Amino acid sequence: DTGVSQNPRHKITKRGQNVTFRCDPISEHNRLYWYRQTLGQGPEFLTYFQNEAQLEKSRLLSDRFSAERPKGSFSTLEIQRTEQGDSAMYLCASSLAWQGSREQYFGPGTRLTVT
Amino acid sequence: DQQVKQNSPSLSVQEGRISILNCDYTNSMFDYFLWYKKYPAEGPTFLISISSIKDKNEDGRFTVFLNKSAKHLSLHIVPSQPGDSAVYFCAASGTDKLIFGTGTRLQVFP
Repeated sequence: DTGVSQNPRHKITKRGQNVTFRCDPISEHNRLYWYRQTLGQGPEFLTYFQNEAQLEKSRLLSDRFSAERPKGSFSTLEIQRTEQGDSAMYLCASSLAWQGSREQYFGPGTRLTVT
Repeated sequence: DQQVKQNSPSLSVQEGRISILNCDYTNSMFDYFLWYKKYPAEGPTFLISISSIKDKNEDGRFTVFLNKSAKHLSLHIVPSQPGDSAVYFCAASGTDKLIFGTGTRLQVFP
């Protein structure tokens, strides 16, 4: 399977705990994006990388959130001191920087439930 | 502020007929528009896109129309099939990130 993969698919955690999600993009893609989707809404942009450089962060990404892409391949998204409002689907997408149509290819997502 | 709006939360269409999904946007700096389809428990799947320099793009049963003066785009699916039943998201891009609408749930019935 050469698509975008995300692990874990589901995560249940207690409020105050830290969680980390992993995304493996399509292998030749140099851009990697994180989005968050809540019930009844479309995906909302969080941050993105080109290779290992983090180029943009949304104001939605509070200080409790951090993302890395250390070798320009897979990426991790960490949420510290989780809150119930963090419960959402976290989506990862990848693309090629030169792709004129701006197509991004999404993984299946990680569903986070904070109790 | 909602820069991309899909005002119809749901649409029901008979198999074989045309499905028309609508999307409005407010930011004139958007220069690319995309449609994604999403099944439950899966990530969004890219369907079709259109550049702001065009007014129509067609790919098989899917056609996207763009009316820049009205800041409106639509996705036409002809003929509709039961497998098209899903949530459809409109997205717009002016830089590298995508701004999504809230989605329209399409149900195609026999």
